[in-house]
Amino acid sequence: KQEVTQIPAALSVPEGENLVLNCSFTDSAIYNLQWFRQDPGKGLTSLLLIQSSQREQTSGRLNASLDKSSGRSTLYIAASQPGDSATYLCAVRPRNTDKLIFGTGTRLQVFP
Amino acid sequence: GAVVSQHPSWVICKSGTSVKIECRSLDFQATTMFWYRQFPKQSLMLMATSNEGSKATYEQGVEKDKFLINHASLTLSTLTVTSAHPEDSSFYICSARVGSSGEKLFFGSGTQLSVL
Repeated sequence: KQEVTQIPAALSVPEGENLVLNCSFTDSAIYNLQWFRQDPGKGLTSLLLIQSSQREQTSGRLNASLDKSSGRSTLYIAASQPGDSATYLCAVRPRNTDKLIFGTGTRLQVFP
Repeated sequence: GAVVSQHPSWVICKSGTSVKIECRSLDFQATTMFWYRQFPKQSLMLMATSNEGSKATYEQGVEKDKFLINHASLTLSTLTVTSAHPEDSSFYICSARVGSSGEKLFFGSGTQLSVL
């Protein structure tokens, strides 16, 4: 059974710092992995999607890497801003399924 | 990008009543809709998958008679929580897949249900 874990559970940093959020999964038979952002009481916004054959994806200040064999992904946020404050979720899509298995999330607080 | 409209955004109801949550894909056809539940400080848990015109597939432990899902058209899916109880209080969120083989999912804004 696929399990997705994210560490740290919460993170509070001053503005301007570079951050690394970690995601690990137990079964490497995945189709893709996605990182999402969730604001309190709101829906999810897809940030980056990495196919199983890819190593990383970049969008602006965000960079996500994927090491499928070791079951790990990291989300790197450069020069963090208060507007980055949110919960970040990673989710894997196992092979041969439409489902997403979500991690427990990292609650990020960036203070001015 | 594709937009999924979900409402109501929040609802408070008495125990024993039924609540309907709607999700509409505004500018695309959602052949598949996923319904998730999220308890406070926990992650999203998939409840069921619905394909337009067919019965929903429920995850283990989710009561299909309690959580009725209807996906009668390519742009509308509904989740009805029947005879709601306080333990059903949760954040419910839908997501739609674009096309039959699309990889990206677009999420509704969620519905916070509080059952008194």
